[in-house]
Amino acid sequence: GAVVSQHPSWVICKSGTSVKIECRSLDFQATTMFWYRQFPKQSLMLMATSNEGSKATYEQGVEKDKFLINHASLTLSTLTVTSAHPEDSSFYICSAGDPRSSYNEQFFGPGTRLTVL
Amino acid sequence: DAKTTQPPSMDCAEGRAANLPCNHSTISGNEYVYWYRQIHSQGPQYIIHGLKNNETNEMASLIITEDRKSSTLILPHATLRDTAVYYCIVRRPTYNQGGKLIFGQGTELSVKP
Repeated sequence: GAVVSQHPSWVICKSGTSVKIECRSLDFQATTMFWYRQFPKQSLMLMATSNEGSKATYEQGVEKDKFLINHASLTLSTLTVTSAHPEDSSFYICSAGDPRSSYNEQFFGPGTRLTVL
Repeated sequence: DAKTTQPPSMDCAEGRAANLPCNHSTISGNEYVYWYRQIHSQGPQYIIHGLKNNETNEMASLIITEDRKSSTLILPHATLRDTAVYYCIVRRPTYNQGGKLIFGQGTELSVKP
């Protein structure tokens, strides 16, 4: 199946700093990518839809000024957590659909674990 | 998209079949049933999907009831590596490289030796 990567796989930062997480589709082009957040022992929560060449669409309750999304190319979307605080510590996961697939399934990255001290 | 209901946890003996149920009583005619699983600290993985016919692939089988209000994912010979959280998701088909997924709480399957 298609491959989606994320970088970094884990990051520790100080409170008040910004952290950028990259999501790449390695063997296909993705005009749309999705960002999820997952707290311990909880399910994935959709944060936003990243659209190549246009603004991201955020889910209700997600602060767009805090979670900046940029989808500048067909293979890369970035999520920047600005002025991170300990409550932003979470597992961040991206996904994308492969246009070559007839199953309409999503391919997920391995996730990025963010710890804010 | 229709909501789903799954048991929070299940156990299965290694080598036996694991049958994971999902209730989606409000499913509409054009909605598909998708199953994903998430092994601890990894991204979710697609397993299988179906509309109304039973489906089988190299990973699992999907049995959908005739009224489509429930389904069962079957792992025919569970191994320890199948220990994961399994998510049943109902959604309409999209034609723009897939679509967003709304995850419920899923079923935490523990395969025991």
